[in-house]
Amino acid sequence: GENVEQHPSTLSVQEGDSAVIKCTYSDSASNYFPWYKQELGKRPQLIIDIRSNVGEKKDQRIAVTLNKTAKHFSLHITETQPEDSAVYFCAASGSYQLTFGKGTKLSVIP
Amino acid sequence: DAMVIQNPRYQVTQFGKPVTLSCSQTLNHNVMYWYQQKSSQAPKLLFHYYDKDFNNEADTPDNFQSRRPNTSFCFLDIRSPGLGDAAMYLCATSLTGGHYEQYFGPGTRLTVT
Repeated sequence: GENVEQHPSTLSVQEGDSAVIKCTYSDSASNYFPWYKQELGKRPQLIIDIRSNVGEKKDQRIAVTLNKTAKHFSLHITETQPEDSAVYFCAASGSYQLTFGKGTKLSVIP
Repeated sequence: DAMVIQNPRYQVTQFGKPVTLSCSQTLNHNVMYWYQQKSSQAPKLLFHYYDKDFNNEADTPDNFQSRRPNTSFCFLDIRSPGLGDAAMYLCATSLTGGHYEQYFGPGTRLTVT
């Protein structure tokens, strides 16, 4: 089955700096890669996703890159704000189910 | 607004006392999922339904069962809850499966005393 590794597990940045979270996956058949943000006690919410026919996608301060050859994808958050503080999960899917990474706890220090 | 609804939001049960968690959706999605999420961990898939076709994850304990009586509703039954089953239970839906966004409900926080 699919295996997704996510790094780092915790990340602290100063407000206004950039944050980068990286994931690798094992199943070359995976073709959908979402990123979820989860605040404490709340549901995971999709913040951006990318499909395998695209190498990069951007939405305002958030961008995701995908390298299918190397089987890794990354989340980039620019101009971080305190409200970006949360746990971020990457995931990979090739069929019905998502396989999640273990999560990155991002803290943005004002 | 179309959404995924879970009831109750908080559930307290006694060790060994059966409990049922419910999920409903107004998105008319074909796929419904149940996840278990423990503190500081990723969501762990327990089951999913594609329409009425049930799919059980290999490592989901027999203590957990699920029902989907119609498109809109899905239930998670825990037959004999143990202390280790205390967790957030998340229901999610997806239009047709892996290539589409999964929409999560707000979750049910289960406490076992």
